[in-house]
Amino acid sequence: EAGVVQSPRYKIIEKKQPVAFWCNPISGHNTLYWYRQNLGQGPELLIRYENEEAVDDSQLPKDRFSAERLKGVDSTLKIQPAELGDSAVYLCASSMGLAGSWDEQFFGPGTRLTVL
Amino acid sequence: AQSVTQLGSHVSVSEGALVLLRCNYSSSVPPYLFWYVQYPNQGLQLLLKYTTGATLVKGINGFEAEFKKSETSFHLTKPSAHMSDAAEYFCAVADRTGTASKLTFGTGTRLQVTL
Repeated sequence: EAGVVQSPRYKIIEKKQPVAFWCNPISGHNTLYWYRQNLGQGPELLIRYENEEAVDDSQLPKDRFSAERLKGVDSTLKIQPAELGDSAVYLCASSMGLAGSWDEQFFGPGTRLTVL
Repeated sequence: AQSVTQLGSHVSVSEGALVLLRCNYSSSVPPYLFWYVQYPNQGLQLLLKYTTGATLVKGINGFEAEFKKSETSFHLTKPSAHMSDAAEYFCAVADRTGTASKLTFGTGTRLQVTL
């Protein structure tokens, strides 16, 4: 079974340019997460979807970041315009969305963004 | 709010030596605790988890961790290091909200294994 798929794996852009990342979760997983991992740090949650609804976006910088999960499957994370400080690895994860038990998250390989 | 502290951003051991990676947590409710491993240019992979029950948990690749409530610790150990264990290791605590669980990660410990 395929894992979480992310593209592109690497992206280099000039500051003030827009950029988008795509994530395809594991089939059947209802919950999808976007994390940002700065160099030398652990991942930090940006947004969590349950099906197509964003249920936790408190850490998403809404002035420049946006996300969508149309039809409750694939998701896109966008930054417009990008700033130097946005350079990081953007990780997508998915889980089944189970109630009453630990809901294991499966991570994709990430997209490494470099803003020049 | 929950938090995780990993002592030592870099740990170096010889092949065959004991691996000990330290993790302390802060949580106002009984925690779920995890160790993840991240190899270069790859996503995170779950090594082991503590949710309920036995406080000594065994994971993949010969790793284990013990939940010690009195010490608020969840240290990761492996009796004998292998070259393939070289990676970044993250401790995490879960905050259950709704139907999913929110993970808070530590800053990570890079494990180097030398000959």
